[in-house]
Amino acid sequence: AQKVTQAQTEISVVEKEDVTLDCVYETRDTTYYLFWYKQPPSGELVFLIRRNSFDEQNEISGRYSWNFQKSTSSFNFTITASQVVDSAVYFCALSEAAGGFKTIFGAGTRLFVKA
Amino acid sequence: GAVVSQHPSRVICKSGTSVKIECRSLDFQATTMFWYRQFPKKSLMLMATSNEGSKATYEQGVEKDKFLINHASLTLSTLTVTSAHPEDSSFYICSARDRSGIGYEQYFGPGTRLTVT
Repeated sequence: AQKVTQAQTEISVVEKEDVTLDCVYETRDTTYYLFWYKQPPSGELVFLIRRNSFDEQNEISGRYSWNFQKSTSSFNFTITASQVVDSAVYFCALSEAAGGFKTIFGAGTRLFVKA
Repeated sequence: GAVVSQHPSRVICKSGTSVKIECRSLDFQATTMFWYRQFPKKSLMLMATSNEGSKATYEQGVEKDKFLINHASLTLSTLTVTSAHPEDSSFYICSARDRSGIGYEQYFGPGTRLTVT
């Protein structure tokens, strides 16, 4: 069965600090995809990144970076030089081929960035 | 890019009535759509998988007679909350899988906020 754990319920940082959001996943499938989504107060999910199980390369996009490590089943997300606009709930999610690619979400991490 | 719409964005209904929520893929065909519900400050919980032309597959614990799903075309799935009660108040989000894409390509709608009074 697929499972995503985001142990950090809430994180509060001061603007310009770096922050890392943790994500640990469980799956028995060899083909799967990992995602990060941002959910601002409006509620609409904003897609941030997708990674497949065969590509462990880390990725950087502006102030965002992701560290995918299959050895520890983790897919952590770092925001560098955080800004107030980064305040939102961030979800890590997993989609397995064996599960018909239905996406299962972690509990989410609420990030507060103070000015 | 692929767009999924939901209608209505907000709905208030009285206890005991039924309410229908539509999920449409606007610029692609979706053989599969997914319905999620999200309680305040909680995660998205998958309710069911909707397949065009066939019965929906419900997740464990979801009442299929309560939450009726119809996926009558490649661009439209509907979720009907029957005999709604205040505990059904929630944020309902759909996602659609692009028929022509690879399996993981899913696009989320903006959500529908249901309030049952």
